[in-house]
Amino acid sequence: GVTQSPTHLIKTRGQQVTLRCSPKSGHDTVSWYQQALGQGPQFIFQYYEEEERQRGNFPDRFSGHQFPNYSSELNVNALLLGDSALYLCASSVLGEQFFGPGTRLTVL
Amino acid sequence: AQTVTQSQPEMSVQEAETVTLSCTYDTSENNYYLFWYKQPPSRQMILVIRQEAYKQQNATENRFSVNFQKAAKSFSLKISDSQLGDTAMYFCAFMKPSNAGGTSYGKLTFGQGTILTVHP
Repeated sequence: GVTQSPTHLIKTRGQQVTLRCSPKSGHDTVSWYQQALGQGPQFIFQYYEEEERQRGNFPDRFSGHQFPNYSSELNVNALLLGDSALYLCASSVLGEQFFGPGTRLTVL
Repeated sequence: AQTVTQSQPEMSVQEAETVTLSCTYDTSENNYYLFWYKQPPSRQMILVIRQEAYKQQNATENRFSVNFQKAAKSFSLKISDSQLGDTAMYFCAFMKPSNAGGTSYGKLTFGQGTILTVHP
């Protein structure tokens, strides 16, 4: 399935963080979502062929990368308290997205 | 922009009974997908059922079925013979296929979720 690392992460305001995702075997498209506590996930961006193909309403502090093996990273710079959330990665085939277990980021 | 609305923040049901979760959406698109996802306390988002907008027949997966009303932009989920393991947050989600950059896999737009509790 889709794997994500780390499981939990605690950072302080102003720091930078990198989250990692390995897609399900055979999937070449990776999407990232931010899920605040008690809310539905919000789309951050999507990567295909190592390029950002779609982007949601998130500031440039959120950036990403996709590697030739289709794995992906999400980077967040200058962390704010409001960036505390569950970050979900999803890989897709035929319109169906499979989600990883998420990374819980806490910003203090 | 598409929006998805789940008007029931919380629902509860007795084990073995039937419960229906509501979802409405707003879009001007004619071709799209609709999904119900389940997120238990373990937080892993699991696909429950999917519906293609061009299909008139309602999707069914074992105890889970949908009532898709395209004209009304309504997409409800019915869970029959509820089980304790059905306890979770349920999200309705919309996806418009996208050809951005050569991929047809669009972004998901989620509702706010409904917390379902199944009581023994």
